[in-house]
Amino acid sequence: GAVVSQHPSWVICKSGTSVKIECRSLDFQATTMFWYRQFPKQSLMLMATSNEGSKATYEQGVEKDKFLINHASLTLSTLTVTSAHPEDSSFYICSARYADRVFPTDTQYFGPGTRLTVL
Amino acid sequence: EDKVVQSPLSLVVHEGDTVTLNCSYEVTNFRSLLWYKQEKKAPTFLFMLTSSGIEKKSGRLSSILDKKELFSILNITATQTGDSAIYLCAVKYLFSGAGSYQLTFGKGTKLSVIP
Repeated sequence: GAVVSQHPSWVICKSGTSVKIECRSLDFQATTMFWYRQFPKQSLMLMATSNEGSKATYEQGVEKDKFLINHASLTLSTLTVTSAHPEDSSFYICSARYADRVFPTDTQYFGPGTRLTVL
Repeated sequence: EDKVVQSPLSLVVHEGDTVTLNCSYEVTNFRSLLWYKQEKKAPTFLFMLTSSGIEKKSGRLSSILDKKELFSILNITATQTGDSAIYLCAVKYLFSGAGSYQLTFGKGTKLSVIP
């Protein structure tokens, strides 16, 4: 249980194009999803927190107009990298927090990541 | 089927105790195993293990990988309340046919250290 998928797994695009990455919780509902970017030396940077039905909360330094996040349903959040540039090339990981209204949990379930390469 | 399994799911210990967290995995084209500590925000990177039998150490934390038995352990000695967190294990492996890697996380072990 608690499976999170991401699509696509790997995308290569030209500079200036936009790329959409999907994050889905397959067998549970997630009122909150998180988007991370992985940097060299394996560190993960939290980019934004996405709540179903409301605007995402972006971390300091993350451009909200560049990284558009939509969380339209309890099982789907999308991250769109607009006008991608080579410096946006990275590994993007999402996670989802299980939404049990009686017993909420802090546990996040991570997706497998999406490798973005911008040429 | 889970590729990365962590145990136990949850653990409560007293300050000063030593704990061992387990992570077993089953992937092909294994590249490395990573340990993270997650508190409020993004998981904090702890260790990356690529070779069997070589212990990595950082203060009271240490970790080792067994590539034959496909598991890793994370040890924390003389635990403190500040060690309370969710500890995540992730395995990096080559995504077949694509030349890219995937990172699969386990579901984590929640460690609570009480005074």
